[in-house]
Amino acid sequence: GQQLNQSPQSMFIQEGEDVSMNCTSSSIFNTWLWYKQDPGEGPVLLIALYKAGELTSNGRLTAQFGITRKDSFLNISASIPSDVGIYFCAGPLLSGGGADGLTFGKGTHLIIQP
Amino acid sequence: KAGVTQTPRYLIKTRGQQVTLSCSPISGHRSVSWYQQTPGQGLQFLFEYFSETQRNKGNFPGRFSGRQFSNSRSEMNVSTLELGDSALYLCASSPSGTVTYEQYFGPGTRLTVT
Repeated sequence: GQQLNQSPQSMFIQEGEDVSMNCTSSSIFNTWLWYKQDPGEGPVLLIALYKAGELTSNGRLTAQFGITRKDSFLNISASIPSDVGIYFCAGPLLSGGGADGLTFGKGTHLIIQP
Repeated sequence: KAGVTQTPRYLIKTRGQQVTLSCSPISGHRSVSWYQQTPGQGLQFLFEYFSETQRNKGNFPGRFSGRQFSNSRSEMNVSTLELGDSALYLCASSPSGTVTYEQYFGPGTRLTVT
């Protein structure tokens, strides 16, 4: 099946630092999504990418759709305490159109040290 | 707009029992998907409904079933519960039934099977 590999698994950073994480797959994706999940809550959609090479920002977050269509990157600039959580990449399970189910990476745990 | 709502938020059941979980999508959203989240397997797609029809199904046993009503609200049912069914069950809705993978998640139902 289509598996997404996220790295790093966890990150310990200082407040104010920039953060970079990525997601790779052995299969081509035509859509990449980035979600954040806080404890006890459902994932929240941060950014959706639909075109190879696309670079999209949402506040301090910037995500890129890799040229090979097999990877995506998420950057967070000037991290703040509320950025703590688990970040997931996701893509459609099937390559066809329609609101198919999503496959998710295992997540990157972001921990901010005071 | 109100977000996706799920009831109940927490549930404790005994092995062998059955359980029904409920999901109300964002107003105007017609596609509803269900996911299971566990520490070991992460987020896994269960099934997706659109216009009261199941369009996609993940790799789960037949004990897991669902349905969607004419108002787009959805329920999922798990029969003959097993300890391994303990998980966070997440519902997500999408704006339309075609070519969109942007899914918006509810807070989830935490199911504990004892």
